[in-house]
Amino acid sequence: DVKVTQSSRYLVKRTGEKVFLECVQDMDHENMFWYRQDPGLGLRLIYFSYDVKMKEKGDIPEGYSVSREKKERFSLILESASTNQTSMYLCASRDTGTVETQYFGPGTRLLVL
Amino acid sequence: AQTVTQSQPEMSVQEAETVTLSCTYDTSENNYYLFWYKQPPSRQMILVIRQEAYKQQNATENRFSVNFQKAAKSFSLKISDSQLGDTAMYFCAFANIRDDKIIFGKGTRLHILP
Repeated sequence: DVKVTQSSRYLVKRTGEKVFLECVQDMDHENMFWYRQDPGLGLRLIYFSYDVKMKEKGDIPEGYSVSREKKERFSLILESASTNQTSMYLCASRDTGTVETQYFGPGTRLLVL
Repeated sequence: AQTVTQSQPEMSVQEAETVTLSCTYDTSENNYYLFWYKQPPSRQMILVIRQEAYKQQNATENRFSVNFQKAAKSFSLKISDSQLGDTAMYFCAFANIRDDKIIFGKGTRLHILP
């Protein structure tokens, strides 16, 4: 079974802090994704990556950056956390050309105070 | 631009009843996938069922089935003999085969009552 893991289930940070959310997948998937999930808004794509060192902006990239130095790891970075970034963050991965089988991590619930 | 609309933010049904979750979408594409994902409370999002647009036959997975109406751009999920473990947030989603991105609806929170 594909396993997508995220470094923390819950995280509390202060406004202005730099925050790293880590995601690791164990199935050698090329494609990895970061979404944020908010009540009444569903899932919105922040950034995605089709390969190592490659990144593409999603629908709401402002205030975020990403890093993909190794194929299995995709990091989401909040350079200066703000209260409006309090949310559930979901990582996902899939193989190229297999949009029908995308696997999700358990999510990180981030609270920015 | 493609959009996915789930018109029921929240629903409750009694255990063992049948429930139908609605989803409509908008696209000009001809080849695409449609999905229903389930996110149980504090647990991982998993794929429940998927439908390829070129297939006329409705997909079925055990107690879960879809009613895919391509002309009407409708993709509803039917859960038969509902169980307490079906309590979850359900997301309808669309993926255009051409650009590979998945677009999610806003979700329907389903409560199965004992």
